[in-house]
Amino acid sequence: KAGVTQTPRYLIKTRGQQVTLSCSPISGHRSVSWYQQTPGQGLQFLFEYFSETQRNKGNFPGRFSGRQFSNSRSEMNVSTLELGDSALYLCASSLDIRGAGNTIYFGEGSWLTVV
Amino acid sequence: SQQGEEDPQALSIQEGENATMNCSYKTSINNLQWYRQNSGRGLVHLILIRSNEREKHSGRLRVTLDTSKKSSSLLITASRAADTASYFCATEGSGGFKTIFGAGTRLFVKA
Repeated sequence: KAGVTQTPRYLIKTRGQQVTLSCSPISGHRSVSWYQQTPGQGLQFLFEYFSETQRNKGNFPGRFSGRQFSNSRSEMNVSTLELGDSALYLCASSLDIRGAGNTIYFGEGSWLTVV
Repeated sequence: SQQGEEDPQALSIQEGENATMNCSYKTSINNLQWYRQNSGRGLVHLILIRSNEREKHSGRLRVTLDTSKKSSSLLITASRAADTASYFCATEGSGGFKTIFGAGTRLFVKA
C-alpha cells in the first residue's frame, strides 16, 4: 500500500511568486491535513480537508489556501510568497473514523525555500 | 495556542539510558498519540493511548496518560543512537477530529 506522496520534494521560489504543493493520500483515506514546520515555530496546523470540504483551519493568512479533489488528492497554494514562508510543508492523511483514534500518516514533505 | 506542550524541549543522553518525555494538554481528549520525526522527514506514528487507558507498551516504548492532570509521558528504555529524533505528542479532541501537535522534544542519544 503506497504511503502519502508529496510533490515536489524541494523547490525554490522568489518572493512574490506563488506555489502549489500536491499531496496524494493513502488509498481509502478521506481526511487530508497540511502542516507547516519551521525551526522557530514548530509544527503548525494549516488546514484539514474531508470529502472536498475544508473542515478545520489554522491561524494562517488568506495567502494560504487549499483544496481537495473527489479522489481525496489535495493541493495547497501559497500566493505572494514571503521569505518567512520558507519551511517544510507536511501533508498527512487518515481514515477519519469518529472515535476510532485515527492514526495520522505523514508524507515526506515539500521543502520550500523563498529567496 | 498548541494543545500539546512537550517537556523538555531537548534531551541528551547516553546510549543505553532511558529517555522520558512529557506532554501536557489543555482540554478533554479522545486519545493522545506520540510521533517521531527524523531530521527533515515526515512524522511516524509510534503509539496511541485512549482517554480510558492509563498505560500502554510497545516494544521499548511505554506511554502513560493521566487525564486528571492532563498529561502524558513517553518512556524509551535502553535508548539507541537510532532513537535520535524529535518526538511529538498529538491530541485528538473529544469535540471533533482536529488533531493538534505540540512543539516536540528533541532527543539526542550519544553512542
